[in-house]
Amino acid sequence: DAKTTQPNSMESNEEEPVHLPCNHSTISGTDYIHWYRQLPSQGPEYVIHGLTSNVNNRMASLAIAEDRKSSTLILHRATLRDAAVYYCILRRGNEKLTFGTGTRLTIIP
Amino acid sequence: DTAVSQTPKYLVTQMGNDKSIKCEQNLGHDTMYWYKQDSKKFLKIMFSYNNKELIINETVPNRFSPKSPDKAHLNLHINSLELGDSAVYFCASSQAYQNNEQFFGPGTRLTVL
Repeated sequence: DAKTTQPNSMESNEEEPVHLPCNHSTISGTDYIHWYRQLPSQGPEYVIHGLTSNVNNRMASLAIAEDRKSSTLILHRATLRDAAVYYCILRRGNEKLTFGTGTRLTIIP
Repeated sequence: DTAVSQTPKYLVTQMGNDKSIKCEQNLGHDTMYWYKQDSKKFLKIMFSYNNKELIINETVPNRFSPKSPDKAHLNLHINSLELGDSAVYFCASSQAYQNNEQFFGPGTRLTVL
């Protein structure tokens, strides 16, 4: 499985944008980049996914580097409710989702 | 309007007992999953069923037996519980196995004493 590397933790101020980085230098051409998050005491929640082009949805934006070796999840305006562990996952075709350790995001009021 | 529900939310039991965790999804999805999140917060897939057929079995001890009576339900039965089975178990579903978005349930915290 292609691996991803994320910082263990990050902090951000409330109502400011948050950029969560993910490195995946061994990504293959058919690997999709997925992001899930897990709020405290809850199950994981899908955030966004993409292949090559940047993606936007109501929750976040995904910026993918041109060489696809890294990506950034962007929360445009962080709220306290965004405090969670964010997982960057590569998924090839029908393979299972493999969760790593993720980035624990703390939002400072 | 719960999408993926699990019962019970908490389960405390003695070593050696047999217990079941139930999962139901009302999303009309074809594929369901069981994941285990241990005390170190690692989340790993255990099983996946597509249209009631087992498609993933991740080297899980055969004390764990998933059962899918229909597409909307995937129950997890555990025999002869061990201390190491203590974890949070999450059920999930997706439209199809190929689809990207998985919807997770709230989890069942199992404590084996």
